[in-house]
Amino acid sequence: DADVTQTPRNRITKTGKRIMLECSQTKGHDRMYWYRQDPGLGLQLIYYSFDVKDINKGEISDGYSVSRQAQAKFSLSLESAIPNQTALYFCATSDDEKNTEAFFGQGTRLTVV
Amino acid sequence: AQSVTQLGSHVSVSEGALVLLRCNYSSSVPPYLFWYVQYPNQGLQLLLKYTTGATLVKGINGFEAEFKKSETSFHLTKPSAHMSDAAEYFCAVSDPFTGGGNKLTFGTGTQLKVEL
Repeated sequence: DADVTQTPRNRITKTGKRIMLECSQTKGHDRMYWYRQDPGLGLQLIYYSFDVKDINKGEISDGYSVSRQAQAKFSLSLESAIPNQTALYFCATSDDEKNTEAFFGQGTRLTVV
Repeated sequence: AQSVTQLGSHVSVSEGALVLLRCNYSSSVPPYLFWYVQYPNQGLQLLLKYTTGATLVKGINGFEAEFKKSETSFHLTKPSAHMSDAAEYFCAVSDPFTGGGNKLTFGTGTQLKVEL
């Protein structure tokens, strides 16, 4: 089983709909992140959480919200989806040491029509 | 604020040829540096990282990178390309001092194509 699991892997939704992307991890890490990937733009940080009670906005948080339900679970919500939120979304985790890397899920491809 | 520039959104090499993917960064302090690889329909996988110590770092699959502070560069190389190296490669940095040591700032990526 993957260390970082994202569900769903693919989703098509309509403009204006609310959608939640879920992420769970088995690595025991406190830190979790949501990134968005657009072609030619690399990955951009949406939200991050350093523990269950600590949630912070990233570079591009407008139109998104998150919930840290437990150490292992971090979900991303689009309250009212719009077409320019069509992208590949990645969840990642890391431990508390600053010099360690992030571990990524396989991504959720979201299409808003 | 940090930024990462990857020169060349697409690089094509012949199998067996040298792979060179360029990465330059901008940061007020020496950052931590990472190279990630993304194979089709998969997440990102760490190739290698530089945090402290030896400036030439070796990673998986025969890749290596050298941190050059004077040039603010962290170019990725592999002496001999293999077909299985075809993927997208991302350079990323993080700030070691702001408490968010793992908040990564990514470059825009380089798609590597390996031809026979």
